[in-house]
Amino acid sequence: EPEVTQTPSHQVTQMGQEVILRCVPISNHLYFYWYRQILGQKVEFLVSFYNNEISEKSEIFDDQFSVERPDGSNFTLKIRSTKLEDSAMYFCATLRDFSSYEQYFGPGTRLTVT
Amino acid sequence: AQSVAQPEDQVNVAEGNPLTVKCTYSVSGNPYLFWYVQYPNRGLQFLLKYITGDNLVKGSYGFEAEFNKSQTSFHLKKPSALVSDSALYFCAVRDRHSGNTPLVFGKGTRLSVIA
Repeated sequence: EPEVTQTPSHQVTQMGQEVILRCVPISNHLYFYWYRQILGQKVEFLVSFYNNEISEKSEIFDDQFSVERPDGSNFTLKIRSTKLEDSAMYFCATLRDFSSYEQYFGPGTRLTVT
Repeated sequence: AQSVAQPEDQVNVAEGNPLTVKCTYSVSGNPYLFWYVQYPNRGLQFLLKYITGDNLVKGSYGFEAEFNKSQTSFHLKKPSALVSDSALYFCAVRDRHSGNTPLVFGKGTRLSVIA
């Protein structure tokens, strides 16, 4: 069964550094999402992406964040200058098409900012 | 605005007993409702969904959920719990009229099944 994959599984970085989290969506899916889960808290939406542009973003997704799909396969989340409060598990999710229902989640990347 | 409430942080149940994990929701239109499970150090796995039709929906691993429109609830149930069901369970909602709108999650309920 096709799966969403994410790399790396764990990233440790120093405050102020840039990080790029990578996701490989399921091949025939068209909508992509990033969510995050701060330890012990609920999963929160960051951004959705369709047809090479952002569809929707939350208040969390400020100017420090960006997304792109540079090569038509990988879907990336970049944090330009990480803060301690960016430490979280970041999940990529995909949706097959507009008429689909369930989103498929990757295993997540644990980001630790020190 | 959409929201989901999971009133219990933790649910403990003995193996073989029925289990219920509660969820209530609030949306402006008709809802798409979902349950996901998260095992330790893993991502979210889809369990089941309610879109339309029969209020009782069946999903993976013997789980089912009952949609109750008047009570705006979507409780997750299983007739006989297994130790392997121990995990973190998330209820989520999406507004039906908003296409690919992102999911809004509850805070999660940790289920512990005791042998």
